[in-house]
Amino acid sequence: AQTVTQSQPEMSVQEAETVTLSCTYDTSESDYYLFWYKQPPSRQMILVIRQEAYKQQNATENRFSVNFQKAAKSFSLKISDSQLGDAAMYFCAYRSAGWGNMLTFGGGTRLMVKP
Amino acid sequence: NAGVMQNPRHLVRRRGQEARLRCSPMKGHSHVYWYRQLPEEGLKFMVYLQKENIIDESGMPKERFSAEFPKEGPSILRIQQVVRGDSAAYFCASSPVIGDIRHTEAFFGQGTRLTVV
Repeated sequence: AQTVTQSQPEMSVQEAETVTLSCTYDTSESDYYLFWYKQPPSRQMILVIRQEAYKQQNATENRFSVNFQKAAKSFSLKISDSQLGDAAMYFCAYRSAGWGNMLTFGGGTRLMVKP
Repeated sequence: NAGVMQNPRHLVRRRGQEARLRCSPMKGHSHVYWYRQLPEEGLKFMVYLQKENIIDESGMPKERFSAEFPKEGPSILRIQQVVRGDSAAYFCASSPVIGDIRHTEAFFGQGTRLTVV
């Protein structure tokens, strides 16, 4: 079974600065997808960014980018130019490339943004 | 195109009562997934359904919990004889059919917060 670990329960960043959230996972599969979800106080799960394991290029979405290290099974999220609205819980998630779309989530990192 | 709709948003039940949580997937989506989020934890997969079929219920407790996705109407997650430990946020997600370019994405509802008193 796959496991996803987020070792930072809480992180803090100054507005306009850059922060990196860590995620490691364990799998024996070679093809899979990785995701970062944001969960603000409203509880809505918002997809931030996704990465296909077969792609070597790191995904980017505006101020959000990932550092995907397949051999190390590491998938960190970098948020540049942090904004107050980035404050939320962030969850790393894993999905097999095969049948079904079940996600395995990490325990989450609470990001606080200081003005 | 409305998103995944869950209702109610908040549900309070006394111990021993039944809880029914509803999920209407996005239009055109035929796959539904239920997840549970305990306080201060990540989401845990419970069950995966397609219309009239349970595909994978490996994450569902064996007793008191059941799920269905009928041919017509929303998917229902049913918890019988609720206990305090069932208090959690329950999320539904839907995804398009395999073959759709976005079939690997899961679109989440806003969740139902169940409180058992």
